[in-house]
Amino acid sequence: AQKVTQAQTEISVVEKEDVTLDCVYETRDTTYYLFWYKQPPSGELVFLIRRNSFDEQNEISGRYSWNFQKSTSSFNFTITASQVVDSAVYFCALSEARTGANNLFFGTGTRLTVIP
Amino acid sequence: GAVVSQHPSRVICKSGTSVKIECRSLDFQATTMFWYRQFPKQSLMLMATSNEGSKATYEQGVEKDKFLINHASLTLSTLTVTSAHPEDSSFYICSPYRGRNTEAFFGQGTRLTVV
Repeated sequence: AQKVTQAQTEISVVEKEDVTLDCVYETRDTTYYLFWYKQPPSGELVFLIRRNSFDEQNEISGRYSWNFQKSTSSFNFTITASQVVDSAVYFCALSEARTGANNLFFGTGTRLTVIP
Repeated sequence: GAVVSQHPSRVICKSGTSVKIECRSLDFQATTMFWYRQFPKQSLMLMATSNEGSKATYEQGVEKDKFLINHASLTLSTLTVTSAHPEDSSFYICSPYRGRNTEAFFGQGTRLTVV
């Protein structure tokens, strides 16, 4: 069965600090997809990244970067030079090819608060 | 990204009444729709999967007679919470399936409060 663990329930940082959100996953499937979503107070889910299991390259997008390591089943997300607008709940999610690839299993989320 | 329209965004209803939530995929046809539920300060959990023209598949612990799903067309799926109770108060969000090699798209969500 699949499982996504976000051990950090809440994190607070001061603006301009870097912060890393951890995500550890479990799956028996060899083909799977990992996602990160941002959920601001309004509730909508903002897509950040999708990575398939065969692509272990790290990715950087502006102040965001992701470190995918299959050896440790982790897909960590780092925000550099954090800003107040980054305050939100961040979800890591997993989907497995055998279940259709877009049925997502979410972690419990990490609430990030950036203090001005 | 795909355009998904979900409404209402917020609804308050009395206990015992029914509430219908609509989810439309505006720029693509969705043969499959996922419905998720998120209780306050919790994660999103898949409730059910609907396929156009057939019965929905419900996850364990989700009452199919309480959460009626209709996926009558490729662009519209509805979730009706019947005989709502305060414990049904939650954030409901839809996700139409666009294809294996795409991100998952979500509606804006519906915050239901049953009083």
